[in-house]
Amino acid sequence: EIVLTQSPATLSLSPGERATLSCRASQSVDTYLAWYQQKPGQAPRLLIYDASNRVTGVPARFGGSGSGTDFTLTISSLEPEDFAVYYCQQRRNWPPLTFGGGTKVEIK
Amino acid sequence: QVQLVQSGAEVKKPGASVKVSCKTSGYTFTTYGINWVRQAPGQGLEWMGRISTYNGNTNYAQKVQGRVTMTTDASTSTAYMDLRSLRSDDTAIYYCARDRSAGDLTFDYWGQGTLVTVSS
Repeated sequence: EIVLTQSPATLSLSPGERATLSCRASQSVDTYLAWYQQKPGQAPRLLIYDASNRVTGVPARFGGSGSGTDFTLTISSLEPEDFAVYYCQQRRNWPPLTFGGGTKVEIK
Repeated sequence: QVQLVQSGAEVKKPGASVKVSCKTSGYTFTTYGINWVRQAPGQGLEWMGRISTYNGNTNYAQKVQGRVTMTTDASTSTAYMDLRSLRSDDTAIYYCARDRSAGDLTFDYWGQGTLVTVSS
């Protein structure tokens, strides 16, 4: 099973600041990694697929990078609606398909 | 537009079974697999398994293997997840989620979630 470790667990930032979220895989997932955003009481929302491809309609301030075992989700300038929990997910080896534990981006 | 609409909240006693439905619309049902993901209160996302809507093939996570059955009804474009021998740690929100494309287990559309509470 591929384990995904996200860091930090919580990121406290102010609107307008840059957010950098990390996801590390226990073995290579090539670029088969996605990022989701989840707000309280809502289902997750796909933001990025295959490490760096932004879903249609996702603002350009969201960017994904990385390959192999180390990945980053960057939010260039936080908007109020970006404060949420973010999960990474790999589809390189399954079953099981696995998610990271999540990073909460909170208002400082 | 693509929609996945799940059945309503359930309260079950330990040892009982629950069946959650996921009715889809807005696309060709048999083109995209359906996955089930759950989230315990205050916790992260856990993939439970996937069913191919094309041929009915299933893959389950080891944690629920033997207690879960995923099925589909193509005539109504609906997927089902049946979980048996419920325990308190099965209390969670259960989501259905669609593959982004054929064979691509990235989830572009999700149901609204179904809260299953297991309590005596």
